[in-house]
Amino acid sequence: AQKITQTQPGMFVQEKEAVTLDCTYDTSDPSYGLFWYKQPSSGEMIFLIYQGSYDQQNATEGRYSLNFQKARKSANLVISASQLGDSAMYFCAMRDQFSGGYNKLIFGAGTRLAVHP
Amino acid sequence: DGGITQSPKYLFRKEGQNVTLSCEQNLNHDAMYWYRQDPGQGLRLIYYSQIVNDFQKGDIAEGYSVSREKKESFPLTVTSAQKNPTAFYLCASSPGTSVETQYFGPGTRLLVL
Repeated sequence: AQKITQTQPGMFVQEKEAVTLDCTYDTSDPSYGLFWYKQPSSGEMIFLIYQGSYDQQNATEGRYSLNFQKARKSANLVISASQLGDSAMYFCAMRDQFSGGYNKLIFGAGTRLAVHP
Repeated sequence: DGGITQSPKYLFRKEGQNVTLSCEQNLNHDAMYWYRQDPGQGLRLIYYSQIVNDFQKGDIAEGYSVSREKKESFPLTVTSAQKNPTAFYLCASSPGTSVETQYFGPGTRLLVL
């Protein structure tokens, strides 16, 4: 069965430094997509970045990049130049083939990131 | 501004009562979703709808019901059959079935009195 694992319940980083949030996944589907979302204390889920399983290059969006290692089934999020506003929960998610051909997202348990001044 | 709105922000339910959570989107998206989030956990899919007048159960549909009479609206009813409804409920939408990107509303926190 498809599964997302985030092994870091919490992470600390100094402001302006880079941080890597880990995500490993398990799927037998050759076609899949991986997502990262940010959830601040307000609760809203904010889409950050997407990586398709057939994409040749690692995805980047501003200060966010996805370190995609297909053979190791990992899709780590790298945040460069951390800011105080980056403090939040971060969720890794994977597109899962649902019955009837529809897709759904399955989520990991999340990592809480705290950025210190 | 395009986006997804959810109301109310907080909702209190009495024992044996049905309550309805509102979700509206003006993104012209075909697909809409309801998720439940318990403290310290990720999201779990309750129901989803790919088109108007069609919806499918997710992983934890028991005790919940939905309707999709309009493209813009996907209300979720938490029935009295849901014995542990206290949670944070998030509504999302995506352009279509590809789920390349789901966009989320601000959420509704449901508490039982």
